[in-house]
Amino acid sequence: QTVVTQEPSFSVSPGGTVTLTCALSSGSVSTENYPTWYQQTPGQAPRTLFYNTNIRSSGVPYRFSGSILGNKAALTITGAQADDESDYYCLLYVGAGIWVFGGGTKLTVL
Amino acid sequence: EVQLLESGGALVQPGGSLRLSCAASGFIFSNYAMTWVRQAPGKGLEWVSVISGNGDSIFYTESVRGRFTISRDNSENTLYLQLNSLGADDTAVYYCTRDWQSGGSSYGSLYWGQGTLVTVSS
Repeated sequence: QTVVTQEPSFSVSPGGTVTLTCALSSGSVSTENYPTWYQQTPGQAPRTLFYNTNIRSSGVPYRFSGSILGNKAALTITGAQADDESDYYCLLYVGAGIWVFGGGTKLTVL
Repeated sequence: EVQLLESGGALVQPGGSLRLSCAASGFIFSNYAMTWVRQAPGKGLEWVSVISGNGDSIFYTESVRGRFTISRDNSENTLYLQLNSLGADDTAVYYCTRDWQSGGSSYGSLYWGQGTLVTVSS
Protein backbone atom coordinates (compact mmCIF):
# COMPACT_ATOMS: atom_id res chain seq x y z
CA GLN A 1 0.00 0.00 0.00
CA THR A 2 1.59 3.24 -1.16
CA VAL A 3 1.56 6.07 1.36
CA VAL A 4 1.82 9.78 0.54
CA THR A 5 3.25 11.85 3.39
CA GLN A 6 2.86 15.55 4.12
CA GLU A 7 3.87 17.59 7.16
CA PRO A 8 0.86 17.50 9.53
CA SER A 9 1.25 21.16 10.39
CA PHE A 10 3.34 24.19 9.57
CA SER A 11 3.50 27.74 10.81
CA VAL A 12 4.65 30.82 8.91
CA SER A 13 4.82 34.50 9.77
CA PRO A 14 2.94 36.99 7.61
CA GLY A 15 5.20 37.91 4.71
CA GLY A 16 7.32 34.85 5.24
CA THR A 17 8.10 31.93 2.95
CA VAL A 18 7.08 28.35 3.55
CA THR A 19 7.53 25.15 1.55
CA LEU A 20 5.15 22.25 2.07
CA THR A 21 6.28 18.88 0.78
CA CYS A 22 4.71 15.66 -0.48
CA ALA A 23 6.64 12.40 -0.31
CA LEU A 24 6.04 8.91 -1.67
CA SER A 25 6.71 5.82 0.44
CA SER A 26 7.73 3.82 -2.62
CA GLY A 27 10.43 6.22 -3.79
CA SER A 28 11.02 9.61 -5.36
CA VAL A 29 8.23 11.83 -6.65
CA SER A 30 8.61 12.79 -10.30
CA THR A 31 6.51 14.53 -12.92
CA GLU A 32 5.18 11.07 -13.82
CA ASN A 33 3.25 11.17 -10.53
CA TYR A 34 1.40 14.27 -11.85
CA PRO A 35 1.56 16.09 -8.48
CA THR A 36 -1.56 18.10 -7.78
CA TRP A 37 -2.08 20.55 -4.91
CA TYR A 38 -5.34 21.61 -3.27
CA GLN A 39 -6.30 24.22 -0.70
CA GLN A 40 -9.26 23.74 1.59
CA THR A 41 -10.82 25.97 4.19
CA PRO A 42 -13.35 24.63 6.73
CA GLY A 43 -16.76 23.85 5.30
CA GLN A 44 -15.68 24.43 1.72
CA ALA A 45 -14.90 22.16 -1.19
CA PRO A 46 -11.20 21.91 -2.09
CA ARG A 47 -9.76 24.43 -4.53
CA THR A 48 -7.17 23.31 -7.05
CA LEU A 49 -3.91 25.28 -6.83
CA PHE A 50 -1.58 23.37 -9.17
CA TYR A 51 -1.84 20.37 -11.45
CA ASN A 52 0.75 18.47 -13.47
CA THR A 53 3.39 19.60 -10.96
CA ASN A 54 3.42 23.33 -11.67
CA ILE A 55 0.51 24.42 -13.85
CA ARG A 56 -1.25 27.15 -11.89
CA SER A 57 -5.02 26.96 -11.75
CA SER A 58 -7.00 30.03 -12.75
CA GLY A 59 -7.03 32.77 -10.13
CA VAL A 60 -4.25 31.35 -7.97
CA PRO A 61 -1.97 34.16 -6.75
CA TYR A 62 1.62 34.23 -8.00
CA ARG A 63 2.96 33.97 -4.46
CA PHE A 64 2.12 30.26 -4.76
CA SER A 65 4.36 27.94 -6.79
CA GLY A 66 4.50 24.20 -7.40
CA SER A 67 7.64 22.18 -8.10
CA ILE A 68 9.67 19.05 -7.55
CA LEU A 69 12.33 19.61 -4.88
CA GLY A 70 14.75 16.76 -4.53
CA ASN A 71 12.66 13.63 -4.27
CA LYS A 72 9.42 15.32 -3.22
CA ALA A 73 6.68 17.47 -4.69
CA ALA A 74 6.63 20.93 -3.15
CA LEU A 75 4.25 23.83 -2.70
CA THR A 76 5.92 27.13 -1.84
CA ILE A 77 4.23 30.27 -0.60
CA THR A 78 6.40 33.39 -0.86
CA GLY A 79 5.05 36.31 1.11
CA ALA A 80 2.38 34.45 3.07
CA GLN A 81 -0.84 36.26 3.85
CA ALA A 82 -3.39 35.72 6.58
CA ASP A 83 -5.93 34.22 4.21
CA ASP A 84 -3.44 31.52 3.20
CA GLU A 85 -4.23 29.86 6.50
CA SER A 86 -5.84 26.63 5.27
CA ASP A 87 -5.40 22.92 4.88
CA TYR A 88 -3.26 21.89 1.92
CA TYR A 89 -3.40 18.49 0.25
CA CYS A 90 -1.27 16.88 -2.39
CA LEU A 91 -2.45 14.13 -4.74
CA LEU A 92 -0.12 11.74 -6.55
CA TYR A 93 -0.59 9.14 -9.24
CA VAL A 94 0.98 5.94 -7.86
CA GLY A 95 0.48 3.65 -10.85
CA ALA A 96 -2.00 1.04 -12.05
CA GLY A 97 -4.69 3.70 -12.35
CA ILE A 98 -4.59 4.57 -8.64
CA TRP A 99 -4.18 7.98 -7.04
CA VAL A 100 -3.43 8.71 -3.38
CA PHE A 101 -3.86 11.87 -1.31
CA GLY A 102 -1.42 12.96 1.32
CA GLY A 103 -2.75 13.39 4.82
CA GLY A 104 -2.79 17.16 4.46
CA THR A 105 -0.88 20.03 6.06
CA LYS A 106 -2.61 22.51 8.34
CA LEU A 107 -0.93 25.86 7.71
CA THR A 108 -1.08 28.55 10.35
CA VAL A 109 -0.14 32.15 9.53
CA LEU A 110 0.84 34.05 12.65
CA GLU B 1 -18.47 27.50 -16.95
CA VAL B 2 -17.79 24.02 -15.62
CA GLN B 3 -20.40 22.96 -13.08
CA LEU B 4 -20.63 19.74 -11.09
CA LEU B 5 -23.66 19.12 -8.90
CA GLU B 6 -23.73 16.08 -6.65
CA SER B 7 -26.89 14.61 -5.19
CA GLY B 8 -28.15 11.47 -3.51
CA GLY B 9 -26.46 11.75 -0.14
CA ALA B 10 -28.57 10.58 2.79
CA LEU B 11 -28.69 8.86 6.17
CA VAL B 12 -28.48 5.11 5.59
CA GLN B 13 -28.27 2.16 7.95
CA PRO B 14 -25.15 -0.03 8.17
CA GLY B 15 -25.20 -2.63 5.43
CA GLY B 16 -27.40 -0.44 3.27
CA SER B 17 -26.97 0.97 -0.23
CA LEU B 18 -27.12 4.34 -1.89
CA ARG B 19 -26.55 5.80 -5.35
CA LEU B 20 -24.86 9.15 -5.74
CA SER B 21 -25.20 11.25 -8.89
CA CYS B 22 -23.17 14.11 -10.31
CA ALA B 23 -24.75 16.26 -12.99
CA ALA B 24 -22.13 17.91 -15.17
CA SER B 25 -22.42 20.94 -17.43
CA GLY B 26 -20.28 23.50 -19.22
CA PHE B 27 -17.99 21.04 -21.01
CA ILE B 28 -18.05 18.01 -23.29
CA PHE B 29 -18.65 15.40 -20.61
CA SER B 30 -17.53 12.36 -22.61
CA ASN B 31 -14.09 13.90 -23.20
CA TYR B 32 -13.00 13.80 -19.55
CA ALA B 33 -12.17 11.25 -16.91
CA MET B 34 -14.21 11.77 -13.76
CA THR B 35 -13.29 10.95 -10.18
CA TRP B 36 -15.04 10.55 -6.82
CA VAL B 37 -13.22 11.81 -3.74
CA ARG B 38 -14.53 11.59 -0.18
CA GLN B 39 -13.81 13.28 3.12
CA ALA B 40 -14.87 11.86 6.46
CA PRO B 41 -15.86 14.42 9.12
CA GLY B 42 -12.75 16.16 10.42
CA LYS B 43 -10.46 14.02 8.26
CA GLY B 44 -8.44 14.40 5.07
CA LEU B 45 -9.33 13.79 1.46
CA GLU B 46 -9.49 10.22 0.15
CA TRP B 47 -9.38 9.33 -3.54
CA VAL B 48 -12.15 6.76 -4.18
CA SER B 49 -12.57 5.90 -7.85
CA VAL B 50 -12.00 7.10 -11.40
CA ILE B 51 -13.69 6.37 -14.73
CA SER B 52 -12.35 7.26 -18.16
CA GLY B 53 -14.29 9.42 -20.58
CA ASN B 54 -15.76 6.51 -22.50
CA GLY B 55 -16.26 4.40 -19.36
CA ASP B 56 -13.92 1.62 -20.46
CA SER B 57 -11.31 2.17 -17.77
CA ILE B 58 -12.24 2.08 -14.10
CA PHE B 59 -10.16 1.98 -10.90
CA TYR B 60 -10.96 1.93 -7.18
CA THR B 61 -9.13 2.46 -3.96
CA GLU B 62 -8.68 -0.80 -2.06
CA SER B 63 -11.12 0.00 0.76
CA VAL B 64 -14.14 0.28 -1.58
CA ARG B 65 -13.29 -2.27 -4.27
CA GLY B 66 -16.09 -4.81 -4.56
CA ARG B 67 -18.57 -2.60 -2.69
CA PHE B 68 -18.71 0.59 -4.76
CA THR B 69 -19.37 0.87 -8.50
CA ILE B 70 -18.59 3.93 -10.57
CA SER B 71 -20.42 4.51 -13.84
CA ARG B 72 -21.39 7.29 -16.21
CA ASP B 73 -24.10 8.12 -18.73
CA ASN B 74 -22.53 10.31 -21.37
CA SER B 75 -25.89 10.92 -23.03
CA GLU B 76 -27.15 12.46 -19.77
CA ASN B 77 -23.85 14.11 -18.72
CA THR B 78 -24.09 12.33 -15.39
CA LEU B 79 -21.61 10.46 -13.21
CA TYR B 80 -22.73 7.88 -10.67
CA LEU B 81 -21.38 6.07 -7.65
CA GLN B 82 -23.26 3.04 -6.35
CA LEU B 83 -22.43 2.39 -2.69
CA ASN B 84 -23.22 -1.05 -1.26
CA SER B 85 -22.53 -2.78 2.06
CA LEU B 86 -22.03 0.55 3.74
CA GLY B 87 -20.26 0.83 7.07
CA ALA B 88 -19.70 3.65 9.54
CA ASP B 89 -16.32 4.46 8.03
CA ASP B 90 -18.00 5.26 4.72
CA THR B 91 -19.58 8.30 6.38
CA ALA B 92 -18.20 11.26 4.43
CA VAL B 93 -18.84 14.09 2.06
CA TYR B 94 -18.50 12.68 -1.43
CA TYR B 95 -17.13 15.01 -4.11
CA CYS B 96 -17.35 14.62 -7.86
CA THR B 97 -14.36 15.98 -9.77
CA ARG B 98 -13.33 16.50 -13.39
CA ASP B 99 -9.86 16.04 -14.81
CA TRP B 100 -7.84 18.98 -16.06
CA GLN B 101 -6.99 17.35 -19.38
CA SER B 102 -9.27 15.71 -21.88
CA GLY B 103 -8.42 12.21 -23.05
CA GLY B 104 -8.76 8.64 -21.95
CA SER B 105 -6.72 8.59 -18.78
CA SER B 106 -6.84 10.63 -15.59
CA TYR B 107 -4.13 13.22 -15.01
CA GLY B 108 -5.52 14.79 -11.86
CA SER B 109 -8.66 16.54 -10.70
CA LEU B 110 -9.14 20.22 -11.49
CA TYR B 111 -12.83 21.02 -11.00
CA TRP B 112 -14.83 20.07 -7.90
CA GLY B 113 -18.47 19.94 -7.00
CA GLN B 114 -19.74 21.07 -3.60
CA GLY B 115 -20.20 17.52 -2.35
CA THR B 116 -23.01 15.41 -0.95
CA LEU B 117 -23.08 13.99 2.58
CA VAL B 118 -23.47 10.27 3.21
CA THR B 119 -24.08 9.30 6.82
CA VAL B 120 -24.05 5.63 7.79
CA SER B 121 -25.69 5.11 11.16
CA SER B 122 -28.39 3.09 12.85
